[in-house]
Amino acid sequence: DARVTQTPRDKVTEMGQEVTMRCQPILGHNTVFWYRQTMMQGLELLAYFRNRAPLDDSGMPKDRFSAEMPDATLATLKIQPSEPRDSAVYFCASGFSDGRQYFGPGTRLTVT
Amino acid sequence: EDQVTQSPEALRLQEGESSSLNCSYTVSGLRGLFWYRQDPGKGPEFLFTLYSAGEEKEKERLKATLTKKESFLHITAPKPEDSATYLCAVQEEGSWGKLQFGAGTQVVVTP
Repeated sequence: DARVTQTPRDKVTEMGQEVTMRCQPILGHNTVFWYRQTMMQGLELLAYFRNRAPLDDSGMPKDRFSAEMPDATLATLKIQPSEPRDSAVYFCASGFSDGRQYFGPGTRLTVT
Repeated sequence: EDQVTQSPEALRLQEGESSSLNCSYTVSGLRGLFWYRQDPGKGPEFLFTLYSAGEEKEKERLKATLTKKESFLHITAPKPEDSATYLCAVQEEGSWGKLQFGAGTQVVVTP
């Protein structure tokens, strides 16, 4: 079974540090999404790409978050500098323009 | 503003006790409505897509239905392994695969 992979699975860092999360989408999928999930806000869309081109990143705090897709096998989400309010589970998903999305296992980020 | 509202927030069922989850939505043009299942510590898992009012989809003990303003996920004779959070999401026309998720219904099925 093809799966979306994410690294790291857990990350604990201090406020002000840079955090980089990586995602390998399923080969052949043409859309890639980054989500953040918290108890309070649920699942929030941060950014997404179609055929590696960014389509919408309006859900991200622009001053500290950035998302890129340097090639078809890698998507990255960076936070610099990180803040305690960024603590959440970050999911990557890949899929098709028809809306079906396949999620990775997530990166649990804790910023102290 | 487009919205997806799920009810109830939480549901506790006895094994074998059938029930339904509700997802109501307001979008200017619906391209598809999706149901996902999420287990603790894991990413959401795709279950169904519904495209038009009157459509139904089934998978084991789950059946999803769609009307013009809401969708229902019926769980028939649930088992403890059906315990999970069920998420509903809508895709608006022209959104290139972007989904808007509801907050989810947490279902616990006890033996």
